[in-house]
Amino acid sequence: NAGVTQTPKFQVLKTGQSMTLQCAQDMNHNSMYWYRQDPGMGLRLIYYSASEGTTDKGEVPNGYNVSRLNKREFSLRLESAAPSQTSVYFCASSGKDRVTPHTGELFFGEGSRLTVL
Amino acid sequence: ELKVEQNPLFLSMQEGKNYTIYCNYSTTSDRLYWYRQDPGKSLESLFVLLSNGAVKQEGRLMASLDTKARLSTLHITAAVHDLSATYFCPLMDSNYQLIWGAGTKLIIKP
Repeated sequence: NAGVTQTPKFQVLKTGQSMTLQCAQDMNHNSMYWYRQDPGMGLRLIYYSASEGTTDKGEVPNGYNVSRLNKREFSLRLESAAPSQTSVYFCASSGKDRVTPHTGELFFGEGSRLTVL
Repeated sequence: ELKVEQNPLFLSMQEGKNYTIYCNYSTTSDRLYWYRQDPGKSLESLFVLLSNGAVKQEGRLMASLDTKARLSTLHITAAVHDLSATYFCPLMDSNYQLIWGAGTKLIIKP
């Protein structure tokens, strides 16, 4: 049971390049999220998907796009990377399964460390 | 606007001591979470507090929630080095999203 899996774990881009961060969860959760974390700060929500087929903007969506490919997968795309997007990106999921009720608790992936030069 | 303020932001303490981290928030909510993050690592869920007066304990950590005071505390008993980490107390807002504070970086010295 892998939980939430993110790829890649590390990436270096040049300004203007594009890339996609991939995220998959195997907990049958409805909701998925993309956050960014900058040094010394908490997490800021970029986009989220409350259920398959829906996506919504979070606190800092500019410069990003997302796709909820199916219930398991939620990808984050940087179309034209900028140095201000250098950060650690976390994917998370939440929801109920057969055992636990929906408490709103988030389960996180290992993070993707992105540097834009 | 819902805000979460943690204090202290940085805490260095000795093993064996007790201490409390405070988490204040600016508007009504009855769902608060505690997470732990080790340097360079992901976030691990510690506690889910879903109602006023909720108290949860795991090992040397105990978390409580007072929704009337808009305050949650994380109490550390007889600290050990392995508890060194950054601790976050996000709060669920009216849109069912978590609002995060800056975190409390805890260093426990042997």
